[in-house]
Amino acid sequence: DVKVTQSSRYLVKRTGEKVFLECVQDMDHENMFWYRQDPGLGLRLIYFSYDVKMKEKGDIPEGYSVSREKKERFSLILESASTNQTSMYLCASSLGPGPLHFGNGTRLTVT
Amino acid sequence: KNEVEQSPQNLTAQEGEFITINCSYSVGISALHWLQQHPGGGIVSLFMLSSGKKKHGRLIATINIQEKHSSLHITASHPRDSAVYICAVGRGGADGLTFGKGTHLIIQP
Repeated sequence: DVKVTQSSRYLVKRTGEKVFLECVQDMDHENMFWYRQDPGLGLRLIYFSYDVKMKEKGDIPEGYSVSREKKERFSLILESASTNQTSMYLCASSLGPGPLHFGNGTRLTVT
Repeated sequence: KNEVEQSPQNLTAQEGEFITINCSYSVGISALHWLQQHPGGGIVSLFMLSSGKKKHGRLIATINIQEKHSSLHITASHPRDSAVYICAVGRGGADGLTFGKGTHLIIQP
């Protein structure tokens, strides 16, 4: 079974802090994604990557950046956390156009 | 991007009832996905389909490409089926999926 692991389940950060969310998958998937999930809005794509060192903006990239130095790891960076970035963050991976495999999510609170 | 509409938004039913959740989308797609999310949990992929019908246990997913519509059915529903069910569509590229807002299902014993 594919395992997608997010480094933290819950995270509390202060406004202005730089925040790193880490995601690791163990099945050599080329595609990796970061989504945020908010009540009433569903899942929205922040960034995705289809190969090492490649990244593409999703629907809501503002205030975020990403890093993919190794195929198995995709990091989401909040350059200067703000309260409107309080959300559930979900990482996912896929092999080609196949089904997405999700991590358990990181619930981030910015105070 | 496609717009994906799900109905109903919320559904409460009694154990044993037959459940139907609907999903409509606006343009051509390569595949449609049904996902399940339990409270506090991650998201699990239930089905990925591009035509016809798929069945897994008590779950059945159908898609009508001409009508741009899919349904997820649960037979003999059980309280453990209580979850948010999410429809998502892909267009074949590497840019992931477009998601509906989800249907919150509660099955009461």
